[in-house]
Amino acid sequence: DQQVKQNSPSLSVQEGRISILNCDYTNSMFDYFLWYKKYPAEGPTFLISISSIKDKNEDGRFTVFLNKSAKHLSLHIVPSQPGDSAVYFCAASAVGGANNLFFGTGTRLTVIP
Amino acid sequence: DVKVTQSSRYLVKRTGEKVFLECVQDMDHENMFWYRQDPGLGLRLIYFSYDVKMKEKGDIPEGYSVSREKKERFSLILESASTNQTSMYLCATSDQGLAGETQYFGPGTRLLVL
Repeated sequence: DQQVKQNSPSLSVQEGRISILNCDYTNSMFDYFLWYKKYPAEGPTFLISISSIKDKNEDGRFTVFLNKSAKHLSLHIVPSQPGDSAVYFCAASAVGGANNLFFGTGTRLTVIP
Repeated sequence: DVKVTQSSRYLVKRTGEKVFLECVQDMDHENMFWYRQDPGLGLRLIYFSYDVKMKEKGDIPEGYSVSREKKERFSLILESASTNQTSMYLCATSDQGLAGETQYFGPGTRLLVL
């Protein structure tokens, strides 16, 4: 059973506009959330994370929002650039969970020049 | 910077062959992981290890085994490769912590089983 879900397999956005990628989770024990970016034929690279004690974390053009009551997080990219075109995975871990990460199925973002 | 290397980027094997995938990290991380990535399924955990000679099953361990004889090296073994094991295999590492440790990934090995 998928505990972390990304319901949009793909997203297309014009260069310069905002990209919003969404992620939902079911396990209320998750307390740490991450976003990874993956280019073809490469391993995922860590992008940004957020702890459950926060509802927002910002790093340059990337901001992650966490809504614990809705069990929902989102990644905002502003402004979007063609180099942001990649597959984005959200992941979650639970306290005492042996450092396991549970991954979503990914969203392919295409930024159109 | 954490460096995670995987022995092969691309591999072609025949059904029934024994396959070894090697992963080496240079950051003295305690935890190492093997995932496979398939379209529409995301990353699924096969096995992980939190110490030398220790291993734990992930979500899909069937048909796989692992070996961790040294801290820096974590091997994934396909005892008898099958076509449904054609996939992208990703190794990751993380430092020991209470929770929420970022995992660092290698470049992946794309395995084709004929």
